[in-house]
Amino acid sequence: DAKTTQPTSMDCAEGRAANLPCNHSTISGNEYVYWYRQIHSQGPQYIIHGLKNNETNEMASLIITEDRKSSTLILPHATLRDTAVYYCIVRGWSYGGSQGNLIFGKGTKLSVKP
Amino acid sequence: DTGVSQNPRHKITKRGQNVTFRCDPISEHNRLYWYRQTLGQGPEFLTYFQNEAQLEKSRLLSDRFSAERPKGSFSTLEIQRTEQGDSAMYLCASTVSSGGPDTQYFGPGTRLTVL
Repeated sequence: DAKTTQPTSMDCAEGRAANLPCNHSTISGNEYVYWYRQIHSQGPQYIIHGLKNNETNEMASLIITEDRKSSTLILPHATLRDTAVYYCIVRGWSYGGSQGNLIFGKGTKLSVKP
Repeated sequence: DTGVSQNPRHKITKRGQNVTFRCDPISEHNRLYWYRQTLGQGPEFLTYFQNEAQLEKSRLLSDRFSAERPKGSFSTLEIQRTEQGDSAMYLCASTVSSGGPDTQYFGPGTRLTVL
């Protein structure tokens, strides 16, 4: 089962920031938070991942709380093309170990409206 | 385009027929994963390869399913005696295991419809 909880759906106005929350209260020390999104009928697209520090790339920012029990994905200026299902995934990793597969939940369906 | 390709993109078959899908990962990616996604659900893990070795299989991978990666490059997923419940999107992802947390890159998927 997925180790994360996300709202089923959210709306956002075009041009505004989209803030997608994720709860992962049982996360352990070696587990990373990954975000993917899936636009209708396409394969999932990697967005960003982080361990405990906030991360930013050209697509989004990831804010992880100090206790690591929750995080927020921020799309700074949402466009209509950002309409998709967003998946928050907790995934373990260790040196010499196998990271294994991604466990997807149902994600958050983000609708960006004009 | 992530660089992972899958063929065919769509497949319609009749119940009881065999089907085979192909995945071409990003060059130099040594790990390859297969997932299945049904309508309204997130992708579910089926199996993965490191180079040519199949290292893990999900309980979802019944004995009608078989996957290969003969030379550690492309992979095939075959479903024998298809059933209507096999209708789904089949996704392939690849990554390079380099000693740090890796990122899986997904292909566009193959949508299977079993009539």
